[in-house]
Amino acid sequence: DADVTQTPRNRITKTGKRIMLECSQTKGHDRMYWYRQDPGLGLRLIYYSFDVKDINKGEISDGYSVSRQAQAKFSLSLESAIPNQTALYFCATSERPLGGRTTNEKLFFGSGTQLSVL
Amino acid sequence: AQKITQTQPGMFVQEKEAVTLDCTYDTSDPSYGLFWYKQPSSGEMIFLIYQGSYDQQNATEGRYSLNFQKARKSANLVISASQLGDSAMYFCAMREGWGGSQGNLIFGKGTKLSVKP
Repeated sequence: DADVTQTPRNRITKTGKRIMLECSQTKGHDRMYWYRQDPGLGLRLIYYSFDVKDINKGEISDGYSVSRQAQAKFSLSLESAIPNQTALYFCATSERPLGGRTTNEKLFFGSGTQLSVL
Repeated sequence: AQKITQTQPGMFVQEKEAVTLDCTYDTSDPSYGLFWYKQPSSGEMIFLIYQGSYDQQNATEGRYSLNFQKARKSANLVISASQLGDSAMYFCAMREGWGGSQGNLIFGKGTKLSVKP
């Protein structure tokens, strides 16, 4: 079984609909992230959470919200989907580094959710 | 300004030859880490290699090595003896240790590598 599981794998929805993407992990990591990938733009950070009570906006949070229901679960919502939110969405996790050094903190990714908003 | 620049949108390499994927970065933090990830056509993101800014030697992981030139702010990925399975998108990424970008991993736009038989 995958350590970081995203559901659904694919979703097609219509403009204006509310949609939720879910992520769960069995790695026991404290930190979780949502990224989106657009062709030619790489991955951009939407939201991140360092523990259950900690939620932070990333580079492109407008139009999105998140919920950290438990250490292992982090969901991303689009309250009113629009076509330019069509993208590949990734959930990722990382482990809080010991000793405060963060530069080698590696991300572990889910398989991605391809979202199409028509 | 872009923090991570990958200037090669696409590259071709002959099977069994070596290839270098370019990455330059921009940071004023003295402590930072550089990463390379591979994304095959199936879509998952696979960690390849890490280089810390204070590491004295270039990182190596099997056929992957990172050509780290600190003064030039470049962190090129070298793949030796290319295989057909190396065909994928490759992303360079950076984490700034002193709080730049809130300490999060920032990605470049990627390079699509195609290995020819």
